[in-house]
Amino acid sequence: DTGVSQDPRHKITKRGQNVTFRCDPISEHNRLYWYRQTLGQGPEFLTYFQNEAQLEKSRLLSDRFSAERPKGSFSTLEIQRTEQGDSAMYLCASRMGASGETQYFGPGTRLLVL
Amino acid sequence: AQSVTQLDSHVSVSEGTPVLLRCNYSSSYSPSLFWYVQHPNKGLQLLLKYTSAATLVKGINGFEAEFKKSETSFHLTKPSAHMSDAAEYFCVVREPGFQKLVFGTGTRLLVSP
Repeated sequence: DTGVSQDPRHKITKRGQNVTFRCDPISEHNRLYWYRQTLGQGPEFLTYFQNEAQLEKSRLLSDRFSAERPKGSFSTLEIQRTEQGDSAMYLCASRMGASGETQYFGPGTRLLVL
Repeated sequence: AQSVTQLDSHVSVSEGTPVLLRCNYSSSYSPSLFWYVQHPNKGLQLLLKYTSAATLVKGINGFEAEFKKSETSFHLTKPSAHMSDAAEYFCVVREPGFQKLVFGTGTRLLVSP
């Protein structure tokens, strides 16, 4: 399968714990995106990478959230001191450079904070 | 600011009848518009996209959408619904110069036998 992959697919954690999610984009895609989707809503943009550079962050991305893409390939999204309001589906997408319009999405990581 | 309004949270049709999912957008510029579908426990899949070429866009699985600038609409249609079309559908806008996609709240399509 050469699509976008995410790991883990599901995560249950207790409030106050830290969690980290991983995203592996399609191999030739240099642009990577994180979105968050809560129940009954459409996905909302969190952050965007071009290669290893994080070029845009949403105001939704509080200081408890940090994302990295150290070698311009896979990316990680860490949430520190989780809160119940962080419970959501976290989606990763990737696309080609300037000539590519379509963002391809992974299956998501569903987070439940107890 | 760019935004999308999906006018129906749920649409119910019978198998074999036409499908219409409505979407209106707001954008200061000539946007790119998309429809994505989300089946349970599966990732978002692109159905079709409009990027300032032909206003009638054909997508996968028999879906199509028409860009109407005067009405700021991008409604999704299919002549004949199939049971496998039951899913959540999202209308999405992206303005030139912006990276992020802005999603509507989604329309759940229910298809009955």
